[in-house]
Amino acid sequence: GNSVTQMEGPVTLSEEAFLTINCTYTATGYPSLFWYVQYPGEGLQLLLKATKADDKGSNKGFEATYRKETTSFHLEKGSVQVSDSAVYFCALTGYSTLTFGKGTMLLVSP
Amino acid sequence: EAGVAQSPRYKIIEKRQSVAFWCNPISGHATLYWYQQILGQGPKLLIQFQNNGVVDDSQLPKDRFSAERLKGVDSTLKIQPAKLEDSAVYLCASSGRGPEAFFGQGTRLTVV
Repeated sequence: GNSVTQMEGPVTLSEEAFLTINCTYTATGYPSLFWYVQYPGEGLQLLLKATKADDKGSNKGFEATYRKETTSFHLEKGSVQVSDSAVYFCALTGYSTLTFGKGTMLLVSP
Repeated sequence: EAGVAQSPRYKIIEKRQSVAFWCNPISGHATLYWYQQILGQGPKLLIQFQNNGVVDDSQLPKDRFSAERLKGVDSTLKIQPAKLEDSAVYLCASSGRGPEAFFGQGTRLTVV
């Protein structure tokens, strides 16, 4: 079946540092890939997506590239802010079901 | 465009009681999901509807959980009787033509 593996957190960074959160996946066929963000006490918000190999999703300074050869979809941001502190979930959808990773907590200090 | 609406936001019940959650998806979205998110974990799919038909309920504990989506719009998720391990956030999501799903704010259930 489909599965998503994310790096464990928490990831602790200072403001303006570079962020990478690793995500790899296992899936049959050609899944679409997503990053969702969850702020404390809130539901999940779609951060970015990529629907085919070599696509780059981007939003709010975050980027991730769909790498089929390495089955990866790593999340990056060049300069994080305190307001980026949240839990980040990598996810994929195959033919129908949306499957999530366990999430990575990001803590950004001033 | 209105988002996914869920109610209530919070619920505290005693074990062995019953509880129901309600979800109203984004207008026109055919697919509706219910997820369970235990603290510190990723969301786990409980049930997925396509219109008013069930696509996947393989991880739904059917001895105590039930869900319905009458007329292919609103949905309710029920737990009867609740156990302590059911304490979690219950998330509803919907999707339309695209592959992405849009989530409501969730219902935080505490079973004491």
